[in-house]
Amino acid sequence: AQSVTQPDIHITVSEGASLELRCNYSYGATPYLFWYVQSPGQGLQLLLKYFSGDTLVQGIKGFEAEFKRSQSSFNLRKPSVHWSDAAEYFCAVVLNTGNQFYFGTGTSLTVIP
Amino acid sequence: DGGITQSPKYLFRKEGQNVTLSCEQNLNHDAMYWYRQDPGQGLRLIYYSQIVNDFQKGDIAEGYSVSREKKESFPLTVTSAQKNPTAFYLCASSINIGSRGTQYFGPGTRLLVL
Repeated sequence: AQSVTQPDIHITVSEGASLELRCNYSYGATPYLFWYVQSPGQGLQLLLKYFSGDTLVQGIKGFEAEFKRSQSSFNLRKPSVHWSDAAEYFCAVVLNTGNQFYFGTGTSLTVIP
Repeated sequence: DGGITQSPKYLFRKEGQNVTLSCEQNLNHDAMYWYRQDPGQGLRLIYYSQIVNDFQKGDIAEGYSVSREKKESFPLTVTSAQKNPTAFYLCASSINIGSRGTQYFGPGTRLLVL
């Protein structure tokens, strides 16, 4: 079955530490890929997206993500986490032949001072 | 400011009652979407609309209804047939329904059952 997997339900990091959030997909073709962030009780904000080209994409708030076709992954990274980064992070994919977004179940990030 | 607004922020439903959630966008987007969010389950698509007067069921449409009479508005009605309506509801829009149509989200409505 086609799916989007975020293996880590919850991650805790210290402020200033590096961060990597994992996202894997299982589709036959390379989909278009997105990362969104959600603060408690709020809507989702787009962090970055990948359609084609350079596999390392830069987003807002100092985030970046790398698409690895061989691993069917699109992991989100940040070199130094700030307390304000504490939130829920969602990976999403859409097939280049389709029109529906598929979301992962999210990773909740806690930042320790 | 361009964006998506949802109202109300909180909504309470009594047994057997239909309630309507509002979603308005001034981004001039053709496509609009409704998602339901439950803890640990991510976002699930309820309905989407590609254009005015047209809409399609998503993965969990049972117990819900929508209308798209205006480009900027896509209200969602939670009917009494929806037995477990307590959730966070998110509206989104995109330029078009195509695969590159990045979705932008409203702030959400939390529905609670009395």
